[in-house]
Amino acid sequence: EVQLVESGGGLVQPGRSLRLSCAASGFTFDDYAMHWVRQAPGKGLEWVSGISWNSGSIGYADSVKGRFTISRDNAKNSLYLQMNSLRAEDTALYYCAKGSSGYYLGAFDIWGQGTMVTVSS
Amino acid sequence: DIQMTQSPSSLSASVGDRVTITCQASQDISNYLNWYQQKPGKAPKLLIYDASNLETGVPSRFSGSGSGTDFTFTISSLQPEDIATYYCQQYDNLALTFGGGTKVEIK
Repeated sequence: EVQLVESGGGLVQPGRSLRLSCAASGFTFDDYAMHWVRQAPGKGLEWVSGISWNSGSIGYADSVKGRFTISRDNAKNSLYLQMNSLRAEDTALYYCAKGSSGYYLGAFDIWGQGTMVTVSS
Repeated sequence: DIQMTQSPSSLSASVGDRVTITCQASQDISNYLNWYQQKPGKAPKLLIYDASNLETGVPSRFSGSGSGTDFTFTISSLQPEDIATYYCQQYDNLALTFGGGTKVEIK
């Protein structure tokens, strides 16, 4: 069964850091791009960042550029999101999503259940 | 960044009705457009990719069309299980973006 399981969310103070992880199973992880997509409470979907199969191509939304860093470890079938200088507006449910191809331009065809990040003092 | 404008933001229709949602891109994105369904409390699900291709396992009452800047998503006969919010998403450039969503309810 294809599965993505996020972890690492929680309550964090503004300005602090948090690292999210996504464990993938049921597919050949290093064949596909991976993404982080977030959804603030009661709001729509926002793409956060994507990474190609070999980490050669990486992109970020303007709202997180310079603060968040995406990475992957193909040997561990894992995706990460290092989030620094967190702000209240980063509060959201963070989804890990599988890309439909090795390059990050494409669709998100498998989604995890998400991990909640709350930024508050 | 490319802006995606979805309309309407919400709609109410009867079971069996034909439902149409539009998505307009702020610039030409060819057919680099996907559609997702998100049911309350659940993760999104890919329904349509590359503007008009039905994802495996998705019922044929769902369809998509369009290219360039104007796209349409259609449910040919609305079913009770289709109650959800639907999103378009473009991937023409390195900053992927979603539309604002359309909440579909049963009248």
